[in-house]
Amino acid sequence: DAGVTQSPTHLIKTRGQHVTLRCSPISGHKSVSWYQQVLGQGPQFIFQYYEKEERGRGNFPDRFSARQFPNYSSELNVNALLLGDSALYLCASSLGWAANTGELFFGEGSRLTVL
Amino acid sequence: DQQVKQNSPSLSVQEGRISILNCDYTNSMFDYFLWYKKYPAEGPTFLISISSIKDKNEDGRFTVFLNKSAKHLSLHIVPSQPGDSAVYFCAASAGGGGTSYGKLTFGQGTILTVHP
Repeated sequence: DAGVTQSPTHLIKTRGQHVTLRCSPISGHKSVSWYQQVLGQGPQFIFQYYEKEERGRGNFPDRFSARQFPNYSSELNVNALLLGDSALYLCASSLGWAANTGELFFGEGSRLTVL
Repeated sequence: DQQVKQNSPSLSVQEGRISILNCDYTNSMFDYFLWYKKYPAEGPTFLISISSIKDKNEDGRFTVFLNKSAKHLSLHIVPSQPGDSAVYFCAASAGGGGTSYGKLTFGQGTILTVHP
């Protein structure tokens, strides 16, 4: 069975541009979460979607937005990119929407570099 | 505001010996704790978890201990193997519903190196 898949794996953007990152969860998983991992730090929670509804939002500016589609795949959008948005963006899927109902399964991430 | 802290950036142990990775937290609302392992160019993979109603959980070579009064947990790997060399993240979640229900708060990670 395929795991969590993310695209693109690497991308380079310039300041002020917009980026869209995509994630396909494990088949049967209805929850998708997005995390940002800056070099040398642990992943930081951005969003969680369950059954196409936003169930949680981390401490990120409104430039960050996301959505979940009927097939449970998800997109993370970041507008007006800043240098500080350079990071590894991780998508994770799970069966339920509570952390203690099952572990999160992470994709390999999308490495974003903003120049 | 670092609610989950892993104060040791790195740990080096000999193959066959015990590896002990430590994690401290400050948020009393955390009631579920997890450890993840991350290899380069891969996403984190789940290792083991523990609920706050327990003080120990074991899975093969991996054991997690929770000391709620000290707000401290540790991961023991016995015996350590070279394939265990990776970055280990401690994570915590607060139950009870609400917008933080599915959110994990991660520590900064500890790089474990197991020498043959």
